[in-house]
Amino acid sequence: AQSVTQPDIHITVSEGASLELRCNYSYGATPYLFWYVQSPGQGLQLLLKYFSGDTLVQGIKGFEAEFKRSQSSFNLRKPSVHWSDAAEYFCAVGNSGGYQKVTFGTGTKLQVIP
Amino acid sequence: GVTQSPTHLIKTRGQQVTLRCSSQSGHNTVSWYQQALGQGPQFIFQYYRKEENGRGNFPPRFSGLQFPNDSSELNVNALELDDSALYLCASSLRGDPGYTFGSGTRLTVV
Repeated sequence: AQSVTQPDIHITVSEGASLELRCNYSYGATPYLFWYVQSPGQGLQLLLKYFSGDTLVQGIKGFEAEFKRSQSSFNLRKPSVHWSDAAEYFCAVGNSGGYQKVTFGTGTKLQVIP
Repeated sequence: GVTQSPTHLIKTRGQQVTLRCSSQSGHNTVSWYQQALGQGPQFIFQYYRKEENGRGNFPPRFSGLQFPNDSSELNVNALELDDSALYLCASSLRGDPGYTFGSGTRLTVV
């Protein structure tokens, strides 16, 4: 069964500092991997996705993520955080066959301080 | 994008509720998720060509419909207090699990 672990429940960074959010997945084959962002009371917005090819994926809002098969990881990074990045971030893994079930992690809440 | 209605809803335990979703234009697959407060979204089920083609760990009182225009409904019977959550609809293209989510319906069961 596919699963996702986000080990950090809450992270606080200073505005302008770099950010890395951790994600580890479990999946039997080559996974589809995603990062979503959710503002309070809102739906989820797709930041980026990985299906195959280049293991460094560029997304919207200046985010990127790197797929590391040997570590079963898909960490999200941003070189310089803005106050508007404060939100909850979800890593997710999806399957490639049959129906397209996407399994989400429990999320990491990002707080940005001035 | 994906639109959901209503945005908020309050129901009494034991009642039934219907939530609605309009998919993004061109998308043919609709998935529904339940997100309890402080949790990640949990997969309820997915519809493709009006057929349910996958379900998570939710009882049969959670059911759905997909219409020819790829809009969708989520029906929940015999509401329980634990059904209080944000219900998210997501559309996608068959073969591409990159979802587009709606803003959700906040259901409160009292």
